[in-house]
Amino acid sequence: NAGVMQNPRHLVRRRGQEARLRCSPMKGHSHVYWYRQLPEEGLKFMVYLQKENIIDESGMPKERFSAEFPKEGPSILRIQQVVRGDSAAYFCASSPPREDTEAFFGQGTRLTVV
Amino acid sequence: EDQVTQSPEALRLQEGESSSLNCSYTVSGLRGLFWYRQDPGKGPEFLFTLYSAGEEKEKERLKATLTKKESFLHITAPKPEDSATYLCAVRFSGGYNKLIFGAGTRLAVHP
Repeated sequence: NAGVMQNPRHLVRRRGQEARLRCSPMKGHSHVYWYRQLPEEGLKFMVYLQKENIIDESGMPKERFSAEFPKEGPSILRIQQVVRGDSAAYFCASSPPREDTEAFFGQGTRLTVV
Repeated sequence: EDQVTQSPEALRLQEGESSSLNCSYTVSGLRGLFWYRQDPGKGPEFLFTLYSAGEEKEKERLKATLTKKESFLHITAPKPEDSATYLCAVRFSGGYNKLIFGAGTRLAVHP
């Protein structure tokens, strides 16, 4: 049973380019969460999605960031016009379609903006 | 404001020297407290979930406990392979399913 799969593991983008981060949840999981970890800081919640729905995006920056979880395919976190401050590790987690269960994390995508 | 504070920030132990990590929280309506382990360059690895005060869970050399204001992660006779950052997170009423994380405790166990 494969865990949460994220790709790419490492991504380098120049300032102004777009970054697309992908996350495939564990089998049987329909809830996906994105978190960001800045260097030497803790994990910060960004967005919570279920299939085709954004449930909570209270942690998403108002501009340039968007997320989706389509009926088919992986969840995508999209960052437009990246800036140096977007450099961070982005983690995806998934959980089963039940309340109050643990979330399992992927290995993350490390985004570097040059 | 909902908050999770972990202490100490860093802890250095000798192999076999038992100790405890602390996680204090201020949230309204706790719906679960979670402990994760994170190795450098890796994603958080789930360890425990605690739901109510008085609850305890164990796994190998680790034991997690919960009160109404804090949780402890006790490490008994640690080994070098227990070296990692230990993260505490809470889920709370009105927060949907999101987790609020503490900044973590970096544990180093030396032989």
